[in-house]
Amino acid sequence: GAVVSQHPSRVICKSGTSVKIECRSLDFQATTMFWYRQFPKKSLMLMATSNEGSKATYEQGVEKDKFLINHASLTLSTLTVTSAHPEDSSFYICSARRTENYGYTFGSGTRLTVV
Amino acid sequence: SQQGEEDPQALSIQEGENATMNCSYKTSINNLQWYRQNSGRGLVHLILIRSNEREKHSGRLRVTLDTSKKSSSLLITASRAADTASYFCATDASGGSYIPTFGRGTSLIVHP
Repeated sequence: GAVVSQHPSRVICKSGTSVKIECRSLDFQATTMFWYRQFPKKSLMLMATSNEGSKATYEQGVEKDKFLINHASLTLSTLTVTSAHPEDSSFYICSARRTENYGYTFGSGTRLTVV
Repeated sequence: SQQGEEDPQALSIQEGENATMNCSYKTSINNLQWYRQNSGRGLVHLILIRSNEREKHSGRLRVTLDTSKKSSSLLITASRAADTASYFCATDASGGSYIPTFGRGTSLIVHP
């Protein structure tokens, strides 16, 4: 149980376009999901906490207008990278938690390449 | 938020040897988790240890927790080439901050 599906796994887009990444909890409801960004050989950097039915909470230094987060239901959060630039190229990972007694379940990540 | 810091940053061993990784954190916790990440993939939850537990086993994994020292260790016994990955710890801070934050991880390479 506790599966998180992230889609797409890889995406290549042109500069100036927007890309949407989906994160779904398949067999449990997640009122809160988390979005991370990871650079090569670096740690995961928490970008924002996605709250179902309310606005996301962004970490310091993360542009809200650049990285739009929508948590429309208890099983789906989306991250939209708007007007993408090559420096947005990275590995993005979402996670969610079922209950306090479980660790976090992570999606398989999305490799974004902006050309 | 609570951040775990892993050490060493890199570890290279031969198949069959044991691998030990450490994690330190700063404030009181509810529990601590260890994760594994294969290159270019998402994180996989390995084991969770609660603050009132001192040791936990899962297969070839052994995790210890010392809350007085605010540290944890992950031991992989009889390592295999397939254990090659990065390993991260994350904590849930007491008081309701359930946002997992991660250090740079330990990069483990197991040579066949």
